Amino acid sequence: GENVEQHPSTLSVQEGDSAVIKCTYSDSASNYFPWYKQELGKRPQLIIDIRSNVGEKKDQRIAVTLNKTAKHFSLHITETQPEDSAVYFCAAANTGNQFYFGTGTSLTVIP
Amino acid sequence: GAGVSQSPRYKVAKRGQDVALRCDPISGHVSLFWYQQALGQGPEFLTYFQNEAQLDKSGLPSDRFFAERPEGSVSTLKIQRTQQEDSAVYLCASSSPQTPDTQYFGPGTRLTVL
Repeated sequence: GENVEQHPSTLSVQEGDSAVIKCTYSDSASNYFPWYKQELGKRPQLIIDIRSNVGEKKDQRIAVTLNKTAKHFSLHITETQPEDSAVYFCAAANTGNQFYFGTGTSLTVIP
Repeated sequence: GAGVSQSPRYKVAKRGQDVALRCDPISGHVSLFWYQQALGQGPEFLTYFQNEAQLDKSGLPSDRFFAERPEGSVSTLKIQRTQQEDSAVYLCASSSPQTPDTQYFGPGTRLTVL
């Protein structure tokens, strides 16, 4: 089955700096890679996703990159703000099937 | 529109009790997923329905776990003879046929087994 690893487990950055979270996956059949943000006690919220036919996708301050050959994908948040503080999960999936999640990264943005 | 809803939001059970957790997916969403999220961990897949058919139950940790979706809408996850290791947040997610990759999550049910 699929195995997703996520690093780092915790990350602290100064407000305005960039944050990068990295994930690897094992199953070459995975073709969809979403990122979810989860605030304490709340539901996971999709923030950005990428499909295997695309190498990079950007949405305002958030970008995701995918290296299919190396089975790596990363989340980049620029100009971080205190409200970006949350736990971020990467996931890998084969279209329409269950997600395999990473173990999460707790991001703290220090004002 | 209304998102995925789950009830109850919190459930405390004594070890050995049976519990039933409910998920109301977004209207029109054909696919429904259950995940278990232990404290400090990512969600882990339990089971998956397409309409009323349970297509994958490979993630259910034991035969004490049972899920159903008899009319292809609301789903219930039942845990029999609860154990302390069952304590977790149980998340439900649904997706539409038009965008099968995009899963919308409910707020979860936090189950605590004493």
